[in-house]
Amino acid sequence: TQLLEQSPQFLSIQEGENLTVYCNSSSVFSSLQWYRQEPGEGPVLLVTVVTGGEVKKLKRLTFQFGDARKDSSLHITAAQPGDTGLYLCAGEASGTYKYIFGTGTRLKVLA
Amino acid sequence: GAGVSQSPSNKVTEKGKDVELRCDPISGHTALYWYRQSLGQGLEFLIYFQGNSAPDKSGLPSDRFSAERTGGSVSTLTIQRTQQEDSAVYLCASSRASRETQYFGPGTRLLVL
Repeated sequence: TQLLEQSPQFLSIQEGENLTVYCNSSSVFSSLQWYRQEPGEGPVLLVTVVTGGEVKKLKRLTFQFGDARKDSSLHITAAQPGDTGLYLCAGEASGTYKYIFGTGTRLKVLA
Repeated sequence: GAGVSQSPSNKVTEKGKDVELRCDPISGHTALYWYRQSLGQGLEFLIYFQGNSAPDKSGLPSDRFSAERTGGSVSTLTIQRTQQEDSAVYLCASSRASRETQYFGPGTRLLVL
């Protein structure tokens, strides 16, 4: 069974601080996605990374896919209250269309 | 255009009753997924539909769960003889094709008393 573990589970920080969320597995994934989910809504896709070692930036968010395509990180610079939410990583099991979701990191940014 | 819609948004039922959850995907999207999300946790894959192909039911937790997709559009997830452990948010997502961006609905919050 493929699993994706995220850490930390919960994170509460002050506005302006930096943070990193990790997504780890012992399995290889064809691609990995990051989502943000707000209360009462479905997850919204932030980014998809495909190549081992790939780095993508989305404004203050930086995403990295591990060289072996088993892990990923999300770094937020100068966090803002609008970044508050549940961050989920999801890996596409190799050769399939199925996505394995991580356990989630709940971020709260205090003004 | 309209996004993915789900109904009802909330459902409270008694243990042992059957429930039906509906998903209206984005028009033209051939792929449709159902997931289950326990309180504040990650998503658990339930079932996947792609066009006219046989659905992948490998994530359904028991034979009390079933789903169908009529005419390649609307999908219904049915839970028979509900149990308290079925309480969760049931999310539906659609994409233009497999491996393309999934667009999620707001979910149905199911509470089994």
